Amino acid sequence: QKEVEQNSGPLSVPEGAIASLNCTYSDRGSQSFFWYRQYSGKSPELIMFIYSNGDKEDGRFTAQLNKASQYVSLLIRDSQPSDSATYLCAVNGNSGGSNYKLTFGKGTLLTVNP
Amino acid sequence: KAGVTQTPRYLIKTRGQQVTLSCSPISGHRSVSWYQQTPGQGLQFLFEYFSETQRNKGNFPGRFSGRQFSNSRSEMNVSTLELGDSALYLCASSLTGVYNEQFFGPGTRLTVL
Repeated sequence: QKEVEQNSGPLSVPEGAIASLNCTYSDRGSQSFFWYRQYSGKSPELIMFIYSNGDKEDGRFTAQLNKASQYVSLLIRDSQPSDSATYLCAVNGNSGGSNYKLTFGKGTLLTVNP
Repeated sequence: KAGVTQTPRYLIKTRGQQVTLSCSPISGHRSVSWYQQTPGQGLQFLFEYFSETQRNKGNFPGRFSGRQFSNSRSEMNVSTLELGDSALYLCASSLTGVYNEQFFGPGTRLTVL
């Protein structure tokens, strides 16, 4: 079982719609969860992080965490063409040395069509 | 506040050679992590350093090594290069560890011929 799984996409949404990106993880003891955005040819940039079950909102972005289901998602409201990028889910483990390791999913390519 | 810097930005090497990549973290950040990014495997964790100590290492052969200096700057070394080592190598820094927000540098693009 892969440690962090994401749908590779591409996910295509029209401008103004809600984009929903999903991620599952295998380490039940994981504590920290991150969403990064990576434009083509650029390095990843942090969008949001979440530590507790529930929702966390920041502008047009909402991260949702469900530790019981080992599931984390990112919602992008009012999607813009500038949101077109690869979105990477990253999970930090909890036990032993895995606390100092960040595991990334392979990313979901999002395309927002004008 | 200056971001994470990596040098060089591009490298071309031949099989069998070795290479050293450098990373300067954001001022005040003591944790530096290294990642390899390839189209097929995505972003893979190489190792993490904090206060000159390696706290974790990913599943890479011993040809991949690193170190961190007292000023938090870090280097990674790849010996006996193979074609499969061609990748984007990314460095990220954070205040205390990967469980905090990490900020990535622009990366070093390594091509092995």
